[in-house]
Amino acid sequence: DADVTQTPRNRITKTGKRIMLECSQTKGHDRMYWYRQDPGLGLRLIYYSFDVKDINKGEISDGYSVSRQAQAKFSLSLESAIPNQTALYFCATSDPPDRRAFFGQGTRLTVV
Amino acid sequence: SQQGEEDPQALSIQEGENATMNCSYKTSINNLQWYRQNSGRGLVHLILIRSNEREKHSGRLRVTLDTSKKSSSLLITASRAADTASYFCATNNPTDSWGKLQFGAGTQVVVTP
Repeated sequence: DADVTQTPRNRITKTGKRIMLECSQTKGHDRMYWYRQDPGLGLRLIYYSFDVKDINKGEISDGYSVSRQAQAKFSLSLESAIPNQTALYFCATSDPPDRRAFFGQGTRLTVV
Repeated sequence: SQQGEEDPQALSIQEGENATMNCSYKTSINNLQWYRQNSGRGLVHLILIRSNEREKHSGRLRVTLDTSKKSSSLLITASRAADTASYFCATNNPTDSWGKLQFGAGTQVVVTP
């Protein structure tokens, strides 16, 4: 079983719809992250969290929100999806002290 | 903003050849990490080199780090078709107490049989 699991793997949604992407991990790491990847670009950080009470905005948080329901669960919501949010979304955890990242398999989101 | 920038953006080689890609970064680092991404899949950690290290090996991978030039290189020796992927460098900044990683845009490597 994957250590970091994302659901769904693929999703097509309409403009204006609310959508939630879910992430769960079995690695026992405290730190979890949501990234967005667009073609030709690296990964851009959307939100990150160090425990259920600690949520932080990344460089591109506008239009997104998150919830850390438990140490193992971190979900990303698009409140009102728009076409330029079409991208590949990754959840990741990181281990202390070197902060190696462990990624889920990604969610390919298409907003039409 | 991206911390690391990989060069070249794309690389095409034949099986058995070596593949070299470079990463330049802007600020001081705790460590620099390299990741591989197969098409459309999640990134997989390959190797980590700390700021006080100059070279590291793992199997067919060799990573160098030059902190004076703020650059790193990843060498894949005797490449195989299975090495076809995108490769990303990521840095961990000591002034960032959260330990967030900054990723570059990646080098796309194609290995042909």
